[in-house]
Amino acid sequence: GEDVEQSLFLSVREGDSSVINCTYTDSSSTYLYWYKQEPGAGLQLLTYIFSNMDMKQDQRLTVLLNKKDKHLSLRIADTQTGDSAIYFCAESPYNFNKFYFGSGTKLNVKP
Amino acid sequence: DTGVSQNPRHKITKRGQNVTFRCDPISEHNRLYWYRQTLGQGPEFLTYFQNEAQLEKSRLLSDRFSAERPKGSFSTLEIQRTEQGDSAMYLCASSSVGGTEAFFGQGTRLTVV
Repeated sequence: GEDVEQSLFLSVREGDSSVINCTYTDSSSTYLYWYKQEPGAGLQLLTYIFSNMDMKQDQRLTVLLNKKDKHLSLRIADTQTGDSAIYFCAESPYNFNKFYFGSGTKLNVKP
Repeated sequence: DTGVSQNPRHKITKRGQNVTFRCDPISEHNRLYWYRQTLGQGPEFLTYFQNEAQLEKSRLLSDRFSAERPKGSFSTLEIQRTEQGDSAMYLCASSSVGGTEAFFGQGTRLTVV
């Protein structure tokens, strides 16, 4: 139950909303995360959600969790060119002994 | 606090040589993780420390790899007899016990030629 799947690419125009999707298989996942990675850099934690929540909003970011379908999404409102990066979904069991990552979604924002 | 620090940022080595990487976690973070990321993939778990105890190791961590965290602060990851397949970004992360967030360093990019 450690598979985390993401679509590989997403292209949007500046000012539009972006929605990045993720599915996971481990039903014991307690926390689900979104990380951003810019070229040649490490991972930046954007936001996370506890598994008993359905939604979390943080400024331009909205996370939706459908626990029944094991589906997580990240919506970025008013997407900017600076949002162009790879976005990783990750999940962690209750004891946080490890994080399982998807392969990442490359977001391209066109001016 | 300057975040998780990793050194060196880049390492080029010849096949068969040994390399060692260092990770300095955020102060007072008890948990420390090592991950490996190859091109086009997400990070893959290698190992996890709580304080100085190495509590979990992935099957990816062959006997050529060894990680230590002697005093529960910084950690080192050593790769012996490097192979071309070891070329990757090695990422370190830390979190506090009871904390829900793991913070990553900038990574060490290893190239084995």
